[in-house]
Amino acid sequence: GQNIDQPTEMTATEGAIVQINCTYQTSGFNGLFWYQQHAGEAPTFLSYNVLDGLEEKGRFSSFLSRSKGYSYLLLKELQMKDSASYLCAVPPLNNAGNMLTFGGGTRLMVKP
Amino acid sequence: EPEVTQTPSHQVTQMGQEVILRCVPISNHLYFYWYRQILGQKVEFLVSFYNNEISEKSEIFDDQFSVERPDGSNFTLKIRSTKLEDSAMYFCASSGGVTTNYGYTFGSGTRLTVV
Repeated sequence: GQNIDQPTEMTATEGAIVQINCTYQTSGFNGLFWYQQHAGEAPTFLSYNVLDGLEEKGRFSSFLSRSKGYSYLLLKELQMKDSASYLCAVPPLNNAGNMLTFGGGTRLMVKP
Repeated sequence: EPEVTQTPSHQVTQMGQEVILRCVPISNHLYFYWYRQILGQKVEFLVSFYNNEISEKSEIFDDQFSVERPDGSNFTLKIRSTKLEDSAMYFCASSGGVTTNYGYTFGSGTRLTVV
C-alpha cells in the first residue's frame, strides 16, 4: 500500500520562503508529483521528481530523497496568490491504470 | 492552452436519482480519469480509462458507478442511484501518456450535492 504524510496547514509571510514537506511509504517508487489546488478549483500540476535532488522551476523548487522517502516543495518570494493547498501525490509501482494517490494536502496561508 | 472541460459545474440531485457527469478531455490525450474530493478531504482516485475500457478502478467505484466514452470526445461518469455520501467535487482528468512522463490536466470539476 501507499501512505503519504504532509502537514495540514502552514502560514507564511508575503515575500518569504516556505518549505512544504511530504513523506511517503510505498511498496515501490515511480516518481512523486506536486500539485497546487486553490479553494474550490482543480489541482494544477507543479512538478514531477523521479531522481534524487532539487529541481528548480522559477519561484518553485521540488526536492526528492528516495532513500528517505521524503520530498519537499520550496516556494520563494511568496505572493498572496500562492495561498492554496499543495498536494503531494505518488503513482503505484504497478500502475496499469496510471492512477495517482494523493496526500491530504498542506493548506498554505500567505499573510501580508 | 488546451483544457479539460466539465459540465455541469454544479448539480443538485435527490437521493436515489441517477446523475451523469460530463467531461471533454484534451483532444489528443489517450488516458482519462475520474477523481472525487469530498469537502475538506483528499483527492481520491475513482477510475482510469484507456483504449475504450477501464484500466483501473478503486474500491469506491462500485456497481453504482459506470463510465463511458460515447462519441470519441465526451467521457461520462454515471452514478446510478445517488447516496448522500456521494456529495463531492468530481474531477475529470486526462493525460497524453503514462503519468511517469506526464502530469494530469484536471477539469474544473462538478460539485455534486445529493439531498
